[in-house]
Amino acid sequence: DGGITQSPKYLFRKEGQNVTLSCEQNLNHDAMYWYRQDPGQGLRLIYYSQIVNDFQKGDIAEGYSVSREKKESFPLTVTSAQKNPTAFYLCASSMTGQETQYFGPGTRLLVL
Amino acid sequence: GNSVTQMEGPVTLSEEAFLTINCTYTATGYPSLFWYVQYPGEGLQLLLKATKADDKGSNKGFEATYRKETTSFHLEKGSVQVSDSAVYFCALSVNQAGTALIFGKGTTLSVSS
Repeated sequence: DGGITQSPKYLFRKEGQNVTLSCEQNLNHDAMYWYRQDPGQGLRLIYYSQIVNDFQKGDIAEGYSVSREKKESFPLTVTSAQKNPTAFYLCASSMTGQETQYFGPGTRLLVL
Repeated sequence: GNSVTQMEGPVTLSEEAFLTINCTYTATGYPSLFWYVQYPGEGLQLLLKATKADDKGSNKGFEATYRKETTSFHLEKGSVQVSDSAVYFCALSVNQAGTALIFGKGTTLSVSS
C-alpha cells in the first residue's frame, strides 16, 4: 500500500534534548512538508522541500531543522532551541505539479 | 496576504441534521480550495477540492462550491452521521504546486445519536 508513515506515534523530549521525527513516503512524490498543529490554531508550516537536497523555511522554522537526502524521506529534528515543542506534528507530500497534499498519521511530541 | 477564515466551533448536531461549516478566504490570483477532515488522533484526509470558480467538490455526501464573488467555500452535508464527528479544515493553495497549503483554524463537529 502506498502512503506516508510517521514514527514514532508518541515522542517524549527531555529539557535540552534534540529529538528527530521520522517521515517516509512511498508515493514517489517530489514535495514534502512539515506542519505543526496546536489546539485551536490550525496547521502552521515549519519546513518544506520540493526536491532532494533542497528545502525552505516555513512560517515557524526557528528551533527546527530538516534534511532531504532521499526522495522518500524528510526527517524533522526538534532542537533544544525550540522552547515550546509540545504539539502534534504532521508530515505531508504532494506530486510534482499537483497542489493536493497527502498527510501522514502524525507524531505527538510531549516534554517531560 | 493569503488567509482562510472558518466559523468557530464546536458545532453540535443531532444525527440526520443538516450541516454547514462556513469558510471564506483572502487570496491573490485564483486559488484552489480544499476541505480536509481529521478524526481524533489521526492525520488529515482530503475530503474534497475545487480548482476554479463555480466548481463543486463532493465526496461522501459532503459538498462545497467555489464562489469567487463571495470568496467562499462553505461545506455542506444534508444528513450527518455520528461517524462524521471530526475536525474539518478549509485550506487554499495559491496555484503553485510544491508550496504549502494555507489552513483555517479548523471547526470541530460533534454529532450525537
